[in-house]
Amino acid sequence: QKEVEQNSGPLSVPEGAIASLNCTYSDRGSQSFFWYRQYSGKSPELIMFIYSNGDKEDGRFTAQLNKASQYVSLLIRDSQPSDSATYLCAGPPGGNNRKLIWGLGTSLAVNP
Amino acid sequence: KAGVTQTPRYLIKTRGQQVTLSCSPISGHRSVSWYQQTPGQGLQFLFEYFSETQRNKGNFPGRFSGRQFSNSRSEMNVSTLELGDSALYLCASSFTKRGPDTEAFFGQGTRLTVV
Repeated sequence: QKEVEQNSGPLSVPEGAIASLNCTYSDRGSQSFFWYRQYSGKSPELIMFIYSNGDKEDGRFTAQLNKASQYVSLLIRDSQPSDSATYLCAGPPGGNNRKLIWGLGTSLAVNP
Repeated sequence: KAGVTQTPRYLIKTRGQQVTLSCSPISGHRSVSWYQQTPGQGLQFLFEYFSETQRNKGNFPGRFSGRQFSNSRSEMNVSTLELGDSALYLCASSFTKRGPDTEAFFGQGTRLTVV
């Protein structure tokens, strides 16, 4: 069973701090990963995707991918209360199968 | 550019009934995937359609079915509803290009309650 696992949280950080969200995956063939944010009662929205080993930065968000260790993380700098949401990690299996496999999500609470 | 549109937004059905949900993808997107989301199970993949053909299927019983039309709009049907089918049903569209990895854009979902 190919899996994507996340710590369910809740992860609580003070406003202005760095929030670190982690995701591990079992399929070494996975080539890319996606981070989605889902507010309560809303649908998931794409934040970032990462294909290559290393870091990818977009504003306050940095995605990190380590294929050797099979983990991907999302760092949120200067966390804001509006970042409070569930963060979902998703990755496709290796090869041409486009079916995304989803983690259960990590709940993040940013406290003012 | 319009996003993914799902209708209806909310539904209440009784056990044993059937339901049909609709999804219109982003213009130009040919891939439509359906997911069931519940608090305990997270996002569970139902199936994916591309160019009117089911390309992938998750581990759901045959009561769950879908189809895609030539304009890429998709419907999913659940027959003989059970209480456990109560969930948020999400549709996601993708612009499939060469290569295995394509981000998905979600609709607002249909909240189905079975009583």
